[in-house]
Amino acid sequence: DVKVTQSSRYLVKRTGEKVFLECVQDMDHENMFWYRQDPGLGLRLIYFSYDVKMKEKGDIPEGYSVSREKKERFSLILESASTNQTSMYLCASSGTWTGGNEKLFFGSGTQLSVL
Amino acid sequence: AQSVSQHNHHVILSEAASLELGCNYSYGGTVNLFWYVQYPGQHLQLLLKYFSGDPLVKGIKGFEAEFIKSKFSFNLRKPSVQWSDTAEYFCAVITTSGTYKYIFGTGTRLKVLA
Repeated sequence: DVKVTQSSRYLVKRTGEKVFLECVQDMDHENMFWYRQDPGLGLRLIYFSYDVKMKEKGDIPEGYSVSREKKERFSLILESASTNQTSMYLCASSGTWTGGNEKLFFGSGTQLSVL
Repeated sequence: AQSVSQHNHHVILSEAASLELGCNYSYGGTVNLFWYVQYPGQHLQLLLKYFSGDPLVKGIKGFEAEFIKSKFSFNLRKPSVQWSDTAEYFCAVITTSGTYKYIFGTGTRLKVLA
C-alpha cells in the first residue's frame, strides 16, 4: 500500500523561526500536496506540485513556500513562523490524473504549535 | 473561485438511523467528485468517487452518493448508520480550469450514538 510519511507528528516552534515540514511518498507519485486542517475550516490547499521542481499555489500560500528537489519528497517551509500558522498540516500524494488515479493518499499529519 | 460547501457541520444520529450529508460545489465545468472520511486518530481515506457515467455511486462500508448536475450537488447517504461510522466526512472536487486543483469542503463531524 502507498505510504506517505511526514517527518514529525508534533512540532513546537517559536514565533519567527524558520520551520521545515518534510513529506516523503514511496509510490513514485507525480502529484504532491500540502494542506492545513483547522476545525470548522476543513482542509485548505497551501501548495501542490505535479512534477519535480514544479510548484503551484493553492488557496492560502501566503507565509509558506515549498521545495520539490526529488520526486518522492515535498517540503513545506514556513519562512518566519507566526501564531496563526498553528495548525495540523497534512501532506498527500496521487498518481497522474488520467482516469482513475485521482485518489489522494494522506500522511498522518504534523500538528504544529507556534508559540 | 471554486468552492465546496458542506451545510452540516455537526450531525448526531442514533444507530440504525439514515444519513444524508450535503455537498454543493461552485464550478460550471467538468468536475470529479469525492467523499473522504477521517476516523478518529486515522488518516483521511477515500470513501467513494464520481468521474462520469451513473450518477449514483457506491463506496465502501455501505455508503453511496448521488451526483445531481443541475443542483451542483453530491450528497452522501447511508441507509442505516453504525457506531463505527463516527468520523469526520469531507467532500472534495477536482476542478479543471487552468491547473488542476483538489479542493475540500469544511467537513461534517458525525457522531453515532450506540
